[in-house]
Amino acid sequence: EVQLVESGGGLVQPGGSLRLSCAASGFTLISYCMYWVRQAPGKGLVWVSRITGDGIITTYADAVKGRFTISRDNGKNTLFLQMNNLRAEDTAVYYCARPRGACNDPPDYWGQGTLVTVSS
Amino acid sequence: QSVLTQPPSASGTPGQRVTISCSGSTSNIGTNTVNWYQQLPGTAPKLLIYSDNQRPSGVPDRFSGSKSGTSASLAISGLQSEDEAAYYCATWDDNLNGWVFGGGTKLTVL
Repeated sequence: EVQLVESGGGLVQPGGSLRLSCAASGFTLISYCMYWVRQAPGKGLVWVSRITGDGIITTYADAVKGRFTISRDNGKNTLFLQMNNLRAEDTAVYYCARPRGACNDPPDYWGQGTLVTVSS
Repeated sequence: QSVLTQPPSASGTPGQRVTISCSGSTSNIGTNTVNWYQQLPGTAPKLLIYSDNQRPSGVPDRFSGSKSGTSASLAISGLQSEDEAAYYCATWDDNLNGWVFGGGTKLTVL
């Protein structure tokens, strides 16, 4: 059974940093692209970033480009999102997600999410 | 402002058929397939429709998707109380080089 479990969320001051983790199980992580998607309280879904299975190619939404870094450790079955220079508008539940199959497939399997709150 | 446009709300009575629209442009819906998600309160999204009109296993055939040009629709027939949720359309955008979602439609079953 595919399982994704996010961790690392919490309260951080504006300008601060946070590193999210996503522990994957039930499948071979290196075989899949992985995504981060976020959802601000009471708002809709917003794609944040994608990384290829080998970790070589990464893409980001304009809103986080230059501040967030996606990475992965396939040996430890873990996906990461390093978030720097955080802003109030980054406050959201962050989900990691896996596509159905190919890298251009939509997110299919989702974790339960981890809440990031940016506030002084 | 979401790249894909959805009505913020929709409603229907049990047994009715409702449709939710999703409007985009040539760089997203016009070029790539559309997917639909259902999100119940306090839970992660669930993939409902992929590749315009395909249902993952376990999704009832009451749910169907269609696409024409730069617009897509999700139809729910035989509406049930458990269908009350938020619904999101999503597709890849070639200009933005990323996934884009609609703003979401909150479906109320009266």
